[in-house]
Amino acid sequence: QKEVEQDPGPLSVPEGAIVSLNCTYSNSAFQYFMWYRQYSRKGPELLMYTYSSGNKEDGRFTAQVDKSSKYISLFIRDSQPSDSATYLCAMSEGGNQFYFGTGTSLTVIP
Amino acid sequence: GAVVSQHPSRVICKSGTSVKIECRSLDFQATTMFWYRQFPKKSLMLMATSNEGSKATYEQGVEKDKFLINHASLTLSTLTVTSAHPEDSSFYICSASGEGETQYFGPGTRLLVL
Repeated sequence: QKEVEQDPGPLSVPEGAIVSLNCTYSNSAFQYFMWYRQYSRKGPELLMYTYSSGNKEDGRFTAQVDKSSKYISLFIRDSQPSDSATYLCAMSEGGNQFYFGTGTSLTVIP
Repeated sequence: GAVVSQHPSRVICKSGTSVKIECRSLDFQATTMFWYRQFPKKSLMLMATSNEGSKATYEQGVEKDKFLINHASLTLSTLTVTSAHPEDSSFYICSASGEGETQYFGPGTRLLVL
């Protein structure tokens, strides 16, 4: 079993929709949770960073961590065509070992 | 937010030559830097992890004599692809971590070996 599981999609939604992206994990020691956005031919860009459980909101983006279920989510409200990208989840226990999901490809249709 | 730069952004070279890619953390000290390789529409593949002043730790299957990594300072790491061949053509991305809580990625370097 992989440390981090992420549905690769592709996911296609109409502009203005709420998007839900998810990852599950198996290691209960993970404490740091990240979401990255990667546009084609670019490096990943850190979107959200959460320590331990709970919610974090930044503009149209909300990150949720449910450690009891080993499940993290990224919600995008009022999705825009510019949100079309691949979204990667990542997590770590702290230290220098990070575990990435395979990425979910999102297309927002105007 | 933390900024990581990479240079060059794109390089084309002849088979057999060596190519050096620089990765710099511009506004923070990077205790650890990571080098990834990514094929089109594929996931990131971690190649190696380097700590400042130490030898890099390579992932299984990555040739350390082929991909030379130097992390000489807290703001600079370099990846040298030695005797590059067409199969080394790929998108190489570095990232940097300050205190081990998260990684900040560079914009990537596209390598084409003819």
